[in-house]
Amino acid sequence: GAVVSQHPSWVICKSGTSVKIECRSLDFQATTMFWYRQFPKQSLMLMATSNEGSKATYEQGVEKDKFLINHASLTLSTLTVTSAHPEDSSFYICSAKGGRDTGELFFGEGSRLTVL
Amino acid sequence: GQNIDQPTEMTATEGAIVQINCTYQTSGFNGLFWYQQHAGEAPTFLSYNVLDGLEEKGRFSSFLSRSKGYSYLLLKELQMKDSASYLCAAMDSNYQLIWGAGTKLIIKP
Repeated sequence: GAVVSQHPSWVICKSGTSVKIECRSLDFQATTMFWYRQFPKQSLMLMATSNEGSKATYEQGVEKDKFLINHASLTLSTLTVTSAHPEDSSFYICSAKGGRDTGELFFGEGSRLTVL
Repeated sequence: GQNIDQPTEMTATEGAIVQINCTYQTSGFNGLFWYQQHAGEAPTFLSYNVLDGLEEKGRFSSFLSRSKGYSYLLLKELQMKDSASYLCAAMDSNYQLIWGAGTKLIIKP
């Protein structure tokens, strides 16, 4: 099946710094990727939809300047958490739509961000 | 509005059968997904239904009734490793997934 790789898996940073998370589709081209945030014991919260070559579409309540999304190629989307604060600590997960008609999503492994 | 309802938590015994129900209300409908998520990990795909009826895949089966806005995930011969959260998600007319809050399944020996 299709593989989506997310990196880094774990990251710890100081408050005020920026952190970049990469999401790669390894064996297929993903014109659309999704970024989710998940708090402990809660379901996925869609943050934004990333389309290759165009600006990301952010969900209501998600700060565009805080969470920068770039989808420069068909196999790579990045999420940059700028000026991170402890409340940004969370589990960030990306997913990509596969090429099949089912619309199945393939998820990355997730990135756990801890801001000190 | 759009809404997905599924039980918060269920408990079952190893070797038994459990059914996790999901009801949905969406603007348009392009299929119903079930994902499994272990704590601290990303979700993994289990099933996709777009037509009414039962889809069987090994120990897991998924059922859909579009007229009732209802789906269930059936897990047979439960194993301890099946302890996880099970997420129901419906795809709306814009091909966006509307996620349920997940059902935490606890398997007891």
